[in-house]
Amino acid sequence: QSVLAQPPSASGTPGQRVTISCSGASSNIESHNVNWYQQFPGAAPKLLIYANNGRPSGVPDRFSGSKSGTSASLAISGLQSEDEADYYCAAWDDSLNGLVFGGGTKVTVL
Amino acid sequence: EVQLVESGGGLVKPGGSLRLSCAGSGFTFSSYNMNWVRQTPGKGLEWVSSISGGSVYIYYADSVKGRFTVSRDDAKNSLYLQMNSLRTEDTALYYCARGGDSKILIRSNSFDPWGQGTLVTVSS
Repeated sequence: QSVLAQPPSASGTPGQRVTISCSGASSNIESHNVNWYQQFPGAAPKLLIYANNGRPSGVPDRFSGSKSGTSASLAISGLQSEDEADYYCAAWDDSLNGLVFGGGTKVTVL
Repeated sequence: EVQLVESGGGLVKPGGSLRLSCAGSGFTFSSYNMNWVRQTPGKGLEWVSSISGGSVYIYYADSVKGRFTVSRDDAKNSLYLQMNSLRTEDTALYYCARGGDSKILIRSNSFDPWGQGTLVTVSS
């Protein structure tokens, strides 16, 4: 059971908007930045969103992040087939004095 | 190009030890916080340890505290993870990941980039 709760799966058709939630607590998401990582099968994770809503250079602007209270969200607008991947949220946790990841969400493009 | 290359993984018996290495290139290694993250095959990501620039701050996941030791040699642009008293549940792909600038608190870091990982298998 992950400290940060994510739905195990999400799906959409090409062009749709998909949102992935990441639910935490006051000791993690509410108090610290949330980062999102994208991972394709057989590949290392890649930073997708940093500091709640920042986009690293090269990340398409159809990816966006937000945070409110103890929850964060990743939105993919204009879903594309190449967005099929696993997505993980992460944040520091003061109670554990360490970093925690969500369990990951597998996005499928129908 | 910023690059991280892990090595040192392999098959080890329960109770055994292993030392992982991560070689960084393309950036000023000493100026960055560094991290280890592991992933059990087919499962999610689990943070293992973080070390700040200058080794001032070091953090461990509870699951490895007392058994694993993280260290760095900035002269060699290298990060290490000494793993002792290994258990079957430590079997995973171990990634090295660069954190933020060492002036930034580790708790505020994002991880970018990641290496390709080195596989550790603990089995009798």
